[in-house]
Amino acid sequence: NAGVTQTPKFQVLKTGQSMTLQCAQDMNHEYMSWYRQDPGMGLRLIHYSVGAGITDQGEVPNGYNVSRSTTEDFPLRLLSAAPSQTSVYFCASSGETGAVAIAGETQYFGPGTRLLVL
Amino acid sequence: KNQVEQSPQSLIILEGKNCTLQCNYTVSPFSNLRWYKQDTGRGPVSLTIMTFSENTKSNGRYTATLDADTKQSSLHITASQLSDSASYICVVIASGGSYIPTFGRGTSLIVHP
Repeated sequence: NAGVTQTPKFQVLKTGQSMTLQCAQDMNHEYMSWYRQDPGMGLRLIHYSVGAGITDQGEVPNGYNVSRSTTEDFPLRLLSAAPSQTSVYFCASSGETGAVAIAGETQYFGPGTRLLVL
Repeated sequence: KNQVEQSPQSLIILEGKNCTLQCNYTVSPFSNLRWYKQDTGRGPVSLTIMTFSENTKSNGRYTATLDADTKQSSLHITASQLSDSASYICVVIASGGSYIPTFGRGTSLIVHP
């Protein structure tokens, strides 16, 4: 198993550009999520999905869109990049199928995408 | 507001020594608490998951404790190794409603030879 993979590893954007961060997992996990990690702050949840066709907002969803057309993939789209979106983005997955089931499940993180918006 | 506070912010120890990292939280209602290890430039890796009824859980040289009454957790690292140098993150998850975990800012541990 490759686990959770993310592409690209690094990306530089200009303000106003759009892009998609890719995330894929091969563990047949129902639950997938996107986080951002900024210096001096804890990871913050952007969006999450409890299964194909189902997505929901996390703590900091503004400026980001997601979709979940398959169990394996959960792309994150930046609609119009802003310097405030400069961050490291992590995708994660786990086997739980709902908020209650998450209690005992290990969450697996991808290696991250470092994004710089100029 | 749900919060997770970790201390110390950073810690330097000599190889072979033990250390204890602290996590205090105000998340309610409580579902579970997790400790992650994050090496520089990598994603977090799960060390332990503790539910309300668990007081202690070990994973090799890592032992986590949980006091749900005082809302405190600790991560004890025994016989530290150079590879333990990393950021250790405490995460608390509330039960019910939508799932939004609360992450601490992490403790940066440096193990010197």
